[in-house]
This record gives sequence, structure tokens and C-alpha cells, in this order.
Amino acid sequence: EAGVVQSPRYKIIEKKQPVAFWCNPISGHNTLYWYLQNLGQGPELLIRYENEEAVDDSQLPKDRFSAERLKGVDSTLKIQPAELGDSAVYLCASSRQGNEQFFGPGTRLTVL
Amino acid sequence: QQQVKQSPQSLIVQKGGISIINCAYENTAFDYFPWYQQFPGKGPALLIAIRPDVSEKKEGRFTISFNKSAKQFSLHIMDSQPGDSATYFCAASRLGDRDDKIIFGKGTRLHILP
Repeated sequence: EAGVVQSPRYKIIEKKQPVAFWCNPISGHNTLYWYLQNLGQGPELLIRYENEEAVDDSQLPKDRFSAERLKGVDSTLKIQPAELGDSAVYLCASSRQGNEQFFGPGTRLTVL
Repeated sequence: QQQVKQSPQSLIVQKGGISIINCAYENTAFDYFPWYQQFPGKGPALLIAIRPDVSEKKEGRFTISFNKSAKQFSLHIMDSQPGDSATYFCAASRLGDRDDKIIFGKGTRLHILP
């Protein structure tokens, strides 16, 4: 069984530029999560999808962050415009009906 | 009330020794307590988890001890090996609660000396 796939693995951009991250969950997993992990910290949930519905986006900074999960499979997380403080690792995870979450390797974003 | 406090922040243990990481929570509604292991450049991976109806769970060299009255739980790694060197996160959540989320501790960076 293939794991959660994320791309790109690394991204370096200048502040005020847009950036997008892509996630392909494990086949059959209806729940998809985007997390933010700052250096030396645990993951913090940004948004959770049940199929194509965003059921928890309370921690997503909606002025600059957006996400979509069209067709309830792949998902994209976008930041526009990026700020210096957005430098972090963005993790995607998936699960089957809210059980054990499987994490992808993450995208390390550096904003200069 | 949603916090999970983890200690120590970093830990160095000799090969063959016992590594102990502690966590405390506040929300008594939590009923699922997983531990995740994260290697550099990788996402966290579930290591072992416990429900509050038992006081201990063991899987190989890894044991979770759970103290419901104290709202504390700990991870013990017996016969620690250099390959165990990683960052460990405790977490807590409410299984089956559609609106709930996993709350992670800040992590413990474990280094096992060869």
C-alpha cells in the first residue's frame, strides 16, 4: 500500500509570492488533514476534510490560506501571499473514518 | 484545557538503557493517547497508543504507562538502540468525535549514544 504522497518536498520562495502544496492520500482514506509543523514543535491542525467537505478549518488563516479537495481525493493547500512567518513544514495526513492517521513526508517551505 | 504538556524537551540515553518520556493532559474527555515517532525529513508515524481503560500497554520494547487519576502518561523504551534516535510526540484526542482533533505535545528529541 502506497503511503501519503506530498509534493514538492522543498520549496523556497520570496515573501509575498504565492505557493501551493499537493497531497495524494492513501487509497480509500476518506479523511484528509493538513498540518503545520514549526521547528521544534508538534503538528498543528490547519484543516480536516471528510471526503470533499471541510469539517474543521477553524485554525486555517483564511486571509491568506486556502485549501481544496475536489472529488474527495487529492488536496491542494495554497498560501497567497506568503509571509516570513509561514516558513515551516506542511504535513498532510489521511485516515479511514477518523482512525489512525498516516502522515506524508511533508513539504518544507522557506520564505525569504 | 486542550494542551498536552510533554517533557523532557531532549533526552540522551546510553545504548541499552531505558528512555522515559512523560506527558500530562488537562481535558478529561480525551480517550485516546497515541505516541508518534518522527525521523528527520519524515512525517510522524504512529508508534503505540493506549485507551484509558488500561494502565499499561506493551509492544516489543515500547511500553505506555497510563495514570488516569493523575492525567499523565509516559512512554518507556527498553534496551534503547541508536536506531531509536528520533523525535517522539505524545498526543491526545477523543476517538469517534467527528469534530475533535489530535492535540500533539511539543516533542522530545531522543538521542541514543552508541
